[in-house]
Amino acid sequence: DAGVIQSPRHEVTEMGQEVTLRCKPISGHDYLFWYRQTMMRGLELLIYFNNNVPIDDSGMPEDRFSAKMPNASFSTLKIQPSEPRDSAVYFCASSLSLYEQYFGPGTRLTVT
Amino acid sequence: GIQVEQSPPDLILQEGANSTLRCNFSDSVNNLQWFHQNPWGQLINLFYIPSGTKQNGRLSATTVATERYSLLYISSSQTTDSGVYFCAVQETGGFKTIFGAGTRLFVKA
Repeated sequence: DAGVIQSPRHEVTEMGQEVTLRCKPISGHDYLFWYRQTMMRGLELLIYFNNNVPIDDSGMPEDRFSAKMPNASFSTLKIQPSEPRDSAVYFCASSLSLYEQYFGPGTRLTVT
Repeated sequence: GIQVEQSPPDLILQEGANSTLRCNFSDSVNNLQWFHQNPWGQLINLFYIPSGTKQNGRLSATTVATERYSLLYISSSQTTDSGVYFCAVQETGGFKTIFGAGTRLFVKA
């Protein structure tokens, strides 16, 4: 398997623009997680899905953030409008039920 | 929610030395994993270990769930072991995952 795939790997955008991050989980995995990593706050869970349904989005920082999973092989995390404080590395991970999570390479987002 | 504390926060080793990293958690958990984040930022699975002991080469891990801690042992450290080691737990009754702040390891040649 190719592992968890994320795109783009790097994104630089201006404040106020819409940003869409993409994730393809490992085939057959039924859980998908979005994380954000910053120096100040470390690794934080934003939202997770089970069988394409959002289960817990309590980590989503603001209404500017939204996530969707239209099918088992694709998820998006959208920020609209983006702000400089959204600059971070965003990771997607997937797992098969209660077992170990596998992480993608991350998307490094810079908002200027 | 669950608190996850890792120690030490930073560690410098001479190549060939052994080390023990600790992860304490404040409540019972469903799942515990150890990750290594390499200098390029990739998070690599080391162990899935909600309880018991596992070994993989020079690395081993032990989780004592009843006492709410886990240990990661690195033997004969190599420069490629440098990076940040994270402990992550999942709360019982759900899949919410909480990461510790990590232990930053630097192995000198």
